[in-house]
Amino acid sequence: DVQMTQDPSTLSASVGDRVTITCRASQFISLHLNWYQQRPGKAPKLLISGINSLQTGVPPRFSGSGSGIDFTLTISGLQPEDFASYYCQQSFLYPRTFGQGTKVEIK
Amino acid sequence: EVQLVESGGGLVEPGGSLRLSCVASGINMRNFGMSWVRQAPGKGLEWVSDITNGGETIYYADSVKGRFTVSSDSAKNSLYVDMKSLRAEDTAVYYCATLALSEVARFDHWGQGTLLIVSS
Repeated sequence: DVQMTQDPSTLSASVGDRVTITCRASQFISLHLNWYQQRPGKAPKLLISGINSLQTGVPPRFSGSGSGIDFTLTISGLQPEDFASYYCQQSFLYPRTFGQGTKVEIK
Repeated sequence: EVQLVESGGGLVEPGGSLRLSCVASGINMRNFGMSWVRQAPGKGLEWVSDITNGGETIYYADSVKGRFTVSSDSAKNSLYVDMKSLRAEDTAVYYCATLALSEVARFDHWGQGTLLIVSS
């Protein structure tokens, strides 16, 4: 199975900060990397697909980058509604696998 | 607007069975792949199963293979998962999601989830 490792597991930040979450795959996954946001008590929401394609309605402060095995989600100018958990997920191979998640907390 | 509504969760004893349902609106399920993803309390997301549009191909996580059976009913625009031989580790919120397969496969719309608790 492709293991997805996110770093950090928890991140404390303030409104307006620029935050970066990294995701490393245990093997090459090409561009088959997606990012999801999950607010407390809510269902996950697709933010970015294919490394860097922002979904309709997602604010442009969210961006994705990377290639091969190393990927990054950046939030430029953290807003109160961005305090949530974020998951990367690969669709290159079955089984589809998620990172363990990164919780973005208020500092 | 795409809406997915799961139902059928509850408390089941270990070894028991249950069926979860997901009704879709705003899409024709014939044209969409669908997936089940679960989340144990306080834990991360775990992919469970994909069913391609038309139900031609179904994939399962090893953790549920042989115990879970996913199906769909296009006439009712519904997705199901029949679960048997349930274990404590199956306790989770179960989400259904649409599976977009163009370019990069992704779960692009999610339901609100239904909670399954396996306990005696």
